Amino acid sequence: DSGVTQTPKHLITATGQRVTLRCSPRSGDLSVYWYQQSLDQGLQFLIHYYNGEERAKGNILERFSAQQFPDLHSELNLSSLELGDSALYFCASSATSGEHNEQFFGPGTRLTVL
Amino acid sequence: GENVEQHPSTLSVQEGDSAVIKCTYSDSASNYFPWYKQELGKGPQLIIDIRSNVGEKKDQRIAVTLNKTAKHFSLHITETQPEDSAVYFCAAKSYSGAGSYQLTFGKGTKLSVIP
Repeated sequence: DSGVTQTPKHLITATGQRVTLRCSPRSGDLSVYWYQQSLDQGLQFLIHYYNGEERAKGNILERFSAQQFPDLHSELNLSSLELGDSALYFCASSATSGEHNEQFFGPGTRLTVL
Repeated sequence: GENVEQHPSTLSVQEGDSAVIKCTYSDSASNYFPWYKQELGKGPQLIIDIRSNVGEKKDQRIAVTLNKTAKHFSLHITETQPEDSAVYFCAAKSYSGAGSYQLTFGKGTKLSVIP
């Protein structure tokens, strides 16, 4: 158990809908990272938040957004969902945003768009 | 940006044999290289990492080597056991601006240990 929690574990929805995925980092960690894992693209970095502020964006679509709250939990919002958005979504946390900080992953949310 | 190549994509070994997974990276400024193990239905689990100021690191049956000149690093698992069966990912951490460092992952290696 990494100490990172994610809810829900599974999510099934229809095209065009909007969903919110939730992540709670390990106790004391200030950084939260979101990743998308699909069969064809592997693990892709989406976005990084540090202590409530957005720090970096990766391959994140404009239909996706995220935020980190004062209690450090984070939410990833996916809107206007398409079939291709079906994937596993992971969050990871680390103590700070430094170069050598280990990232610890949560169990993921499996999103299925029908 | 950083690009990480990982080989092989699948690997089958007999229990007790060794397994080696190799990765190359493109950004010479990358200085941190973690390896993750992902079991079915679970998130990636950090198993070992190496920083650029060392060439090798060991933790029981697992070792990682790094060649910064050639920009490649490898994972070695000795005396493999059935519970080592999983997908293994290498990654390289590179600077992405605003004090943030980003992990770029290889495509993964599915390791099967045959009893």
